[in-house]
Amino acid sequence: DQQVKQNSPSLSVQEGRISILNCDYTNSMFDYFLWYKKYPAEGPTFLISISSIKDKNEDGRFTVFLNKSAKHLSLHIVPSQPGDSAVYFCAASRYTGFQKLVFGTGTRLLVSP
Amino acid sequence: NAGVTQTPKFQVLKTGQSMTLQCAQDMNHNSMYWYRQDPGMGLRLIYYSASEGTTDKGEVPNGYNVSRLNKREFSLRLESAAPSQTSVYFCASSAPGGLREKLFFGSGTQLSVL
Repeated sequence: DQQVKQNSPSLSVQEGRISILNCDYTNSMFDYFLWYKKYPAEGPTFLISISSIKDKNEDGRFTVFLNKSAKHLSLHIVPSQPGDSAVYFCAASRYTGFQKLVFGTGTRLLVSP
Repeated sequence: NAGVTQTPKFQVLKTGQSMTLQCAQDMNHNSMYWYRQDPGMGLRLIYYSASEGTTDKGEVPNGYNVSRLNKREFSLRLESAAPSQTSVYFCASSAPGGLREKLFFGSGTQLSVL
């Protein structure tokens, strides 16, 4: 039972354009969402997060949008750069006194020059 | 600054062999985790330790044991390895409280069980 889904295994974008990565979740109890970025042979690194009390959070070129009614979040990267080529994981959690993240399956982004 | 260090980086085992994956963090984090990453499955939580002296099962604990040796170290043991345990294993830690804190990951251990 995949509670966090990333339906696009891969995405190709040209440098300078917008990259939009999508994530859907099924558990309405999730109240905190994160995006992690992973390069080959490295561990995932935190990118950006959003609480369910917000619908948008921005950090430089990265913006995460949350649509609670649709149980959907997206990561926008503008402008995309070749160094953004990586696997992006969406993750979600609900607070139960301790945070345990549930990860999506990942989307491989390729930004070409 | 090392962050989260995992050893070994690569390991090949035969079915039935045992091994321990080591993890240490130098960020004074209370909470530590073990995840596995499989193609098409994302990262799945195996075990976690909310604080020194405690451990709990995650989503996929069968076939594994853990030890929180001290605040810095959290090891994962495979007592009798099976081909289904072929995966990339990641250790992670989070800041005190584990409350909405982001996880810091090690670089992973690629394990193959033949």
